[in-house]
Amino acid sequence: AQSVTQPDIHITVSEGASLELRCNYSYGATPYLFWYVQSPGQGLQLLLKYFSGDTLVQGIKGFEAEFKRSQSSFNLRKPSVHWSDAAEYFCAVAPNQAGTALIFGKGTTLSVSS
Amino acid sequence: DTGVSQDPRHKITKRGQNVTFRCDPISEHNRLYWYRQTLGQGPEFLTYFQNEAQLEKSRLLSDRFSAERPKGSFSTLEIQRTEQGDSAMYLCASSPTVHSYNSPLHFGNGTRLTVT
Repeated sequence: AQSVTQPDIHITVSEGASLELRCNYSYGATPYLFWYVQSPGQGLQLLLKYFSGDTLVQGIKGFEAEFKRSQSSFNLRKPSVHWSDAAEYFCAVAPNQAGTALIFGKGTTLSVSS
Repeated sequence: DTGVSQDPRHKITKRGQNVTFRCDPISEHNRLYWYRQTLGQGPEFLTYFQNEAQLEKSRLLSDRFSAERPKGSFSTLEIQRTEQGDSAMYLCASSPTVHSYNSPLHFGNGTRLTVT
């Protein structure tokens, strides 16, 4: 069965420092991969997605993620974190076939310190 | 506002009561999904519709849960005989089609259910 693992439950980063959130997936073929962000009281917002092609994808708000097939990973990065980035981040996978819903990881809570 | 709309935002109910939630997807989105999110967990898939047809159900969806999308537009999720374990955020999402590059899921802000 497909699964998504986000090893870090909670991460604290200083404002202006770089960020990397880890995501590992379990799936036989190349899945569709997503990162979503959820702020308190808000719905999930799509940051970026990977379907095929260039393994480094750019998203909104200055985020990027790199797909590494050999490591079954899709880590999210940002070179300089802003206080407004404090939120919960979810990695998700959709098997490459029609009609299958997203499978989410448990999420990583990001805190930003000043 | 053309986003996914969910109503109510919050619902407090006593154990054993029935509750119904509504989701209005982005207009012309023919796929509609329901997810449940408990504290400290990511969203868990419950069910989805292609227009009015319910195409997939998760085993999380016990027989106390039922979802409908009668006209292929809005959807309702009903929970009968609620239990404290049903306390969660219920999220609705829609998309115009399958997960193509240009049509990801759009999520609503959710309905938070508290069962006392």
